Amino acid sequence: DIVMTQSPDSLAVSLGERATINCKSSQSVLYNSNNKNYLAWYQQKPGQPPKLLIYWASTRESGVPDRFSGSGSGTDFTLTISSLQAEDVAVYYCHQYYNTPSFTFGPGTKVEIK
Amino acid sequence: EVQLVESGGNLVQPGGSLRLSCAASGFTFNYWMNWVRQAPGKGLEWVADIHPDGSVKSYVDSVKGRFTISRDNAKNSLFLQMSSLRAEDTATYYCVREGRTMGAFDVWGHGTVVTVSS
Repeated sequence: DIVMTQSPDSLAVSLGERATINCKSSQSVLYNSNNKNYLAWYQQKPGQPPKLLIYWASTRESGVPDRFSGSGSGTDFTLTISSLQAEDVAVYYCHQYYNTPSFTFGPGTKVEIK
Repeated sequence: EVQLVESGGNLVQPGGSLRLSCAASGFTFNYWMNWVRQAPGKGLEWVADIHPDGSVKSYVDSVKGRFTISRDNAKNSLFLQMSSLRAEDTATYYCVREGRTMGAFDVWGHGTVVTVSS
């Protein structure tokens, strides 16, 4: 199985400041035939199910604010919240869907307001 | 509105069985469908998936031989039959749609809680 790790485990950011979350996969999730990274990001607020934010490592899901962006390729990925809002307090998970059906998630990163 | 609604979660004794259901609405049901679980205070774990026509099914190793995923396309429903339940199966179970063009998990239900305890 592909093992996903995330850093940091948690971070506290002031309102309006940038938040950066890193995700690393134990092997590449870049599919060479279509040059796509099979990597997604989800946001989970307390008491709610996860919500898809980003897929193909950098494509925002419809309706997701443009302050959320994804980058990276191969084994190293980043989710950036450019200007943290109060409603962004949540746990964020990365997810590889390259090695189907053995989908795996990162352990999560908790984002709080400083 | 695209929606997935789970039901069937309950308190069950170790070794017992439970059947989870998921009712889909607001979209044509011919998608790969999944179950993903989340133990209390923990992260996400993919459990099982099923092909749109039900012909292909896969499971995480920890549930193989104990859980069975199935679907009834005529009723837009997904199921998870769980047997030989263990304490470590305690979790919220989410019914999840896999996006047709991008493969990520684009629609999630609100989950149903399974507690395995004596």
